[in-house]
Amino acid sequence: GESVGLHLPTLSVQEGDNSIINCAYSNSASDYFIWYKQESGKGPQFIIDIRSNMDKRQGQRVTVLLNKTVKHLSLQIAATQPGDSAVYFCAEGNAGNMLTFGGGTRLMVKP
Amino acid sequence: DTEVTQTPKHLVMGMTNKKSLKCEQHMGHRAMYWYKQKAKKPPELMFVYSYEKLSINESVPSRFSPECPNSSLLNLHLHALQPEDSALYLCASSQGDRRGTNEKLFFGSGTQLSVL
Repeated sequence: GESVGLHLPTLSVQEGDNSIINCAYSNSASDYFIWYKQESGKGPQFIIDIRSNMDKRQGQRVTVLLNKTVKHLSLQIAATQPGDSAVYFCAEGNAGNMLTFGGGTRLMVKP
Repeated sequence: DTEVTQTPKHLVMGMTNKKSLKCEQHMGHRAMYWYKQKAKKPPELMFVYSYEKLSINESVPSRFSPECPNSSLLNLHLHALQPEDSALYLCASSQGDRRGTNEKLFFGSGTQLSVL
């Protein structure tokens, strides 16, 4: 059987739909947030980052939203493609403390 | 060049072996890192070098020994490892302006290590 802790939260979306991946962070002193994409057999790849003086930042097909009131971060991917299938990690940091990674979410894109 | 290059990509070693993992970057970054990642888990920080000096050791067992020969290279020497040390070992670098605490990390593809 499978062991506790080996399950990644999974988001399954249809190709072409928008995806929203959520992340709750724990440290109210965190002022830097970053999203990474990790494909199987590869290292984490930078997607987008945001500092706490902003609540929204847009990249190419991706948007990061930051809600400091409820300590919530989200990554929105527009027009999701099969190549977006991967595990997505959020990370938080502040001056004097290294980035702390969240547990990860697996995104599966159905053709 | 915006890459962090790690070698080897795969490594199988016995518990009595000595091996080394290598990492190289040519982005002029002054902070370099070793992370360990188990399957379906986030990366866990092991060591941080800032301006070629070890600045953080996250209580890593002495069977892992890091080395930073110069600002572009980072090694991880392995000796007498245990099967539970099997994992993906990731190297990363960052500009180093914020001493590695609040800035973007660039990761290599990792070395998949199996200890028999």
